[in-house]
Amino acid sequence: QSALTQPASVSGSPGQSITISCTGSSGDVGSHSLLVSWYQQFPGKAPKLIIFEDNKWPSGLSHRFSGSRSGNTASLTISGLQAEDEAIYYCSSYGGGSTPWLFGGGTRLTV
Amino acid sequence: QVQLVQSGPEVKKPGASVKVSCETSGYTFTSNFIHWVRQAPGQGLEWMGKINPVSGNADYARSFQDRVTMTRDASAASAYLSLTSLTSADTAVYYCARDFGGTGGYWGQGTLVSVSS
Repeated sequence: QSALTQPASVSGSPGQSITISCTGSSGDVGSHSLLVSWYQQFPGKAPKLIIFEDNKWPSGLSHRFSGSRSGNTASLTISGLQAEDEAIYYCSSYGGGSTPWLFGGGTRLTV
Repeated sequence: QVQLVQSGPEVKKPGASVKVSCETSGYTFTSNFIHWVRQAPGQGLEWMGKINPVSGNADYARSFQDRVTMTRDASAASAYLSLTSLTSADTAVYYCARDFGGTGGYWGQGTLVSVSS
């Protein structure tokens, strides 16, 4: 059982937008002292960071991916869906010091 | 460019130990923590801990506290993960990841560790 809760799967058609939720508690996603990041993972590949600090993009990453957080829930929205977006998406909460990374169970996106 | 290159796949028997290496390049090794994350077949991601490349001090996830050791060799720009008392539940791909503002900005390609009698 993962620390953070994500839907197992979502689907959408090309060009549409979808949103993946990530629900935690006041001790992680809901904590003002922690942050949320999102990863994209293709089969047999390492995870790739697509959102950090709740809603920031790593350099060179597509802005079709956007993140937000409200209360104990973080969300990843993918706009203008493309076939190449088919992957598994993981949320993660993190912070400084000895704070461990917590992950959601992952959401499989089908386009 | 930043690269993390991990050692090759391992096959171990139950009760054995394994050591996975993560050789970095493209940045100053001592500038960023290295995290270790594992992923069992068909499962999600599990954080194991992180190591400070300057001091060598490590923080471990509670579930691995008794069996894991993270080390580094700054002269080789490399980090290492050791896991003891392996069981079939430890069969997984093990990733190293370079810290990026607290999260995992750059990842190694992964090392498959298979535990089987």
